[in-house]
Amino acid sequence: AQRVTQPEKLLSVFKGAPVELKCNYSYSGSPELFWYVQYSRQRLQLLLRHISRESIKGFTADLNKGETSFHLKKPFAQEEDSAMYYCALKGGYQKVTFGTGTKLQVIP
Amino acid sequence: SQTIHQWPATLVQPVGSPLSLECTVEGTSNPNLYWYRQAAGRGLQLLFYSVGIGQISSEVPQNLSASRPQDRQFILSSKKLLLSDSGFYLCAWKSKQGLGEKLFFGSGTQLSVL
Repeated sequence: AQRVTQPEKLLSVFKGAPVELKCNYSYSGSPELFWYVQYSRQRLQLLLRHISRESIKGFTADLNKGETSFHLKKPFAQEEDSAMYYCALKGGYQKVTFGTGTKLQVIP
Repeated sequence: SQTIHQWPATLVQPVGSPLSLECTVEGTSNPNLYWYRQAAGRGLQLLFYSVGIGQISSEVPQNLSASRPQDRQFILSSKKLLLSDSGFYLCAWKSKQGLGEKLFFGSGTQLSVL
């Protein structure tokens, strides 16, 4: 079975403060991990994926297979980062599972 | 370019009535197709996914069903709706090619069962 856990429902930070959104996964094979974001009144969209090792809008995420984690980080939060963030795992057979999501609130 | 259409945008149905939500994809062929339900506190719950015509994988036992009558068409149905079926339903598609392929989401259907 594959599972994604996002322990925080809500994360509030001040503008300029560092951000870390936690994601842990459970999967026996080799996973593909993603972060998706949903801004207010917009469709859910990809933010970044582990395989690309990219930085998007200042966000990064490193896959740690030992800790089965894929935490999303940004050194300095901006107001426009306020959104709902979902961690997702693609396991076997094209199945894509999402976590329960974390709402990030950046306080001006 | 590829697009995904999902309709209707909102739907209010009485308990016990049937349901049919439709999702179509344009500009690609042989996509993987997905139905999710988004609920506060429960995140995105995978309901069904399909890797080809007539191939449906069900993730959650419930009174919903899915069908894929054509390559780029995915339908979510119910014979008799329950109050607990209320929610926001999202359709998505993904290419089968390569690693790290992302999901593209539709705009969703807000279903209220009264």
